[in-house]
Amino acid sequence: GESVGLHLPTLSVQEGDNSIINCAYSNSASDYFIWYKQESGKGPQFIIDIRSNMDKRQGQRVTVLLNKTVKHLSLQIAATQPGDSAVYFCAENKGSSNTGKLIFGQGTTLQVKP
Amino acid sequence: DAGVTQSPTHLIKTRGQQVTLRCSPKSGHDTVSWYQQALGQGPQFIFQYYEEEERQRGNFPDRFSGHQFPNYSSELNVNALLLGDSALYLCASSLAIRAGGLNTEAFFGQGTRLTVV
Repeated sequence: GESVGLHLPTLSVQEGDNSIINCAYSNSASDYFIWYKQESGKGPQFIIDIRSNMDKRQGQRVTVLLNKTVKHLSLQIAATQPGDSAVYFCAENKGSSNTGKLIFGQGTTLQVKP
Repeated sequence: DAGVTQSPTHLIKTRGQQVTLRCSPKSGHDTVSWYQQALGQGPQFIFQYYEEEERQRGNFPDRFSGHQFPNYSSELNVNALLLGDSALYLCASSLAIRAGGLNTEAFFGQGTRLTVV
């Protein structure tokens, strides 16, 4: 079956340190990946996306890396801040289906210690 | 520019009842997807509407149905509610992917917290 999974349910980091959140996917046909941040009581918020023809993409304080060989995705957050505390989800979409259906992983809770 | 809006924010229903949840997409978006998020889990795709038709459906029973209106807003209906239907229901809007086109970013609403007792 198809699934998107995260390696660790919880990640605790010190404020100012860099955070790395990992995700493994199983469907090699997937060609579009997105990271979402979800704070308590809110809907998922788009962070950054990457297409399968790329292996790295950078945003503001965030970088997404894609390794298609081992079907692995990671989100790097530089200089982690207390406001980064949330649950982070990776999501997968198969562009060939052209429907925009997203398949989410279970999520990693990021805790930032002051 | 208003983002995706959902109503109501919270709802309590009794087993066996029916519920209707509403979603207004982000301005300029024409596609609406619905997701169910159980506590501690990732969102699960229910279905997607485009041009007032259900375009794709996830692994949910027929008790879950929907509708999209000409203004692109959408409703999610759940009949014969079960305790297990208690969850956060999320609506996401996006621009339809044209043939040969690329995926576009999906924006989520705040969700409707449904509690079935």
